[in-house]
Parts: sequence; C-alpha cells; structure tokens
Amino acid sequence: QVQLQESGPGLVKPSEILSLTCTVSGSIRSGDYWGWIRQPPGKGLEWIGSIYHSGNTYDNPSLKSRVTMSVDAVKNVFSLQLRSVTAADTAVYYCAKSPTTGAFDVWGQGTMVRVSS
Amino acid sequence: DVQMTQSPSSLSASVGDRVTFTCQASQPISNFLNWYQQKPGKAPKLLIYDVSNLEAGVPPRFSGRGSGTDFSFTISSLQPEDFATYYCQQYDAVPYTFGQGTRLEIK
Repeated sequence: QVQLQESGPGLVKPSEILSLTCTVSGSIRSGDYWGWIRQPPGKGLEWIGSIYHSGNTYDNPSLKSRVTMSVDAVKNVFSLQLRSVTAADTAVYYCAKSPTTGAFDVWGQGTMVRVSS
Repeated sequence: DVQMTQSPSSLSASVGDRVTFTCQASQPISNFLNWYQQKPGKAPKLLIYDVSNLEAGVPPRFSGRGSGTDFSFTISSLQPEDFATYYCQQYDAVPYTFGQGTRLEIK
C-alpha cells in the first residue's frame, strides 16, 4: 500500500517560491499520476496540477503558469514549486496518487503553508 | 472551467437515515465524476470513482449514479462515522474541479 508524505516550509514570504516535496513509500510505478491539491482554511478543494511518471505535466490555468512540478522515480519523490506567492496561496497542500488521470485514491496527510511577511 | 455545483450545501440527518446529495456540472462530463469524503483536519478519501464504482474497502451503503451533467450520491443508512463533508470532482476537462462540498451534520 503506497503512502504519501508532504514536506516543506510552513511559512513562505510573499513573492517568494513555495516548494514542497511528496515522498512516496512504495514505488513510483509507470502508469500512475501524481497530483497536488490545496485547500485554503475553511474552504473547498482546488486542483493545482498533476504529473505523469514520465514527467509530463498539466496544471490549473488559474495559477497563471506559476507552477512547476517534477518527479524523481529513483528517489521516490515528486515536487511542487509555486512562484510569486501571495496571501491567497495560504492553504493546506496535499499530494495524491491517481491510477488514472483524475481519481485520487491515496492522499498525503497535508501540510499547512502560510504566506506572510 | 467546468463548474461543479453541489446541493445542498449542508444537511442535517440522523443515524439510520437515507440521504442523497446532488452534483451538477456546467457541461457534460461523461462518466468522469468522483466523490470524496473529508473529515475535519483530515485528507479527503476517495469513495466512488467514475460515477458509480465503489473504491476498494468502502462500505456498500455508499453509492453514486448519474450521467452527463447530473449526478447523485447516496448513503443508504447513515452511520455515526459518516458525518463529514462530501465533495464531487470532475476530471473530464482540465482544470479538474471540485464542487463546493456538502456538509453532513448530525440532527
């Protein structure tokens, strides 16, 4: 059973880069997609983007090309960078696995990231 | 973007009740519709994928149906552990989008 764990700083300054890593216990298999979803405090879920094991990515246009995702199958990690953050990017960030393109069947516990000076 | 509208936003019910929520997409999404349960402070949990397929280990009291733009989710007999927020999610088109959630509360 695959398990996921997000890691990264809990506080990021405005205009800086939010960087998170998701460590996969188990293997990053070919055929799986890996996604990032966030949830502002007290609000609903927003899909940030997904990356295929091959490295192909697709992300939410609402984030205005501020997203970079990568996967390292050797280290069993995948990563998210979100540039030029503002207070609106304050949220719990989840990493998740999808055996197809868009049903997330395994989630990390989530990590709270606050954007503040 | 495909807008997903859930109703009601909140619902009070009792243990043993049968409850149904709905999710409407702003355009047809084929069968690319999933349902998640989220409890406070926890990650969402996939319950149903592709409209009506029960995720492994999920009790059969949960079910989903629908097509095109109109979908529903039913819990046949509420258990105490079912009180949570439920989200629908489409993945027919990028960006994948979630409904705003239905909060199920104990009456």
